[in-house]
Amino acid sequence: EAGVTQFPSHSVIEKGQTVTLRCDPISGHDNLYWYRRVMGKEIKFLLHFVKESKQDESGMPNNRFLAERTGGTYSTLKVQPAELEDSGVYFCASSQGPGGGYTFGSGTRLTVV
Amino acid sequence: GIQVEQSPPDLILQEGANSTLRCNFSDSVNNLQWFHQNPWGQLINLFYIPSGTKQNGRLSATTVATERYSLLYISSSQTTDSGVYFCAVRTSGTYKYIFGTGTRLKVLA
Repeated sequence: EAGVTQFPSHSVIEKGQTVTLRCDPISGHDNLYWYRRVMGKEIKFLLHFVKESKQDESGMPNNRFLAERTGGTYSTLKVQPAELEDSGVYFCASSQGPGGGYTFGSGTRLTVV
Repeated sequence: GIQVEQSPPDLILQEGANSTLRCNFSDSVNNLQWFHQNPWGQLINLFYIPSGTKQNGRLSATTVATERYSLLYISSSQTTDSGVYFCAVRTSGTYKYIFGTGTRLKVLA
């Protein structure tokens, strides 16, 4: 079974530009999550999708971040416009149901210069 | 909300040494995972261990849920073990993992 796939693996953009991160969950996993680790701090939750619906977006830092999951398959996380403090590693995870562990992707390292 | 603390925050080992990493949490949990973030930033799942003991090669983990802690053991450490180790917990009725502060491990050749 393919794991959670994220791309790009690394993105370098200038402050003020737009970047879109993509996550392909494990096939059949209705639950999809975004997390990020910025400035060497702990990993923090951003939001949770169940199929195409946002179940919990309490961790989204501000309205420069927009997450979508059209059709309930892959998800995108857009940052517009990017700021220096958005630099970090963005992780996506998926799970089939409420119990058990999550499978995380390899992450996208975002560098805003 | 639940607090997750890991110790030690930093650890330097000589190759071949053993180590124990600790994760304390402030409330009851029903899900716990250990992860390794390697130097390239990738987050690797090590164990899903809400309770009990598991082993995988040189790594093993024990969670004592009633006492609100989990331990990760690394034996015969190798330079490839370097990186940051995170524990993450979820409480009943939530989907959101709360990550600990991490232990940064450096293994010297």
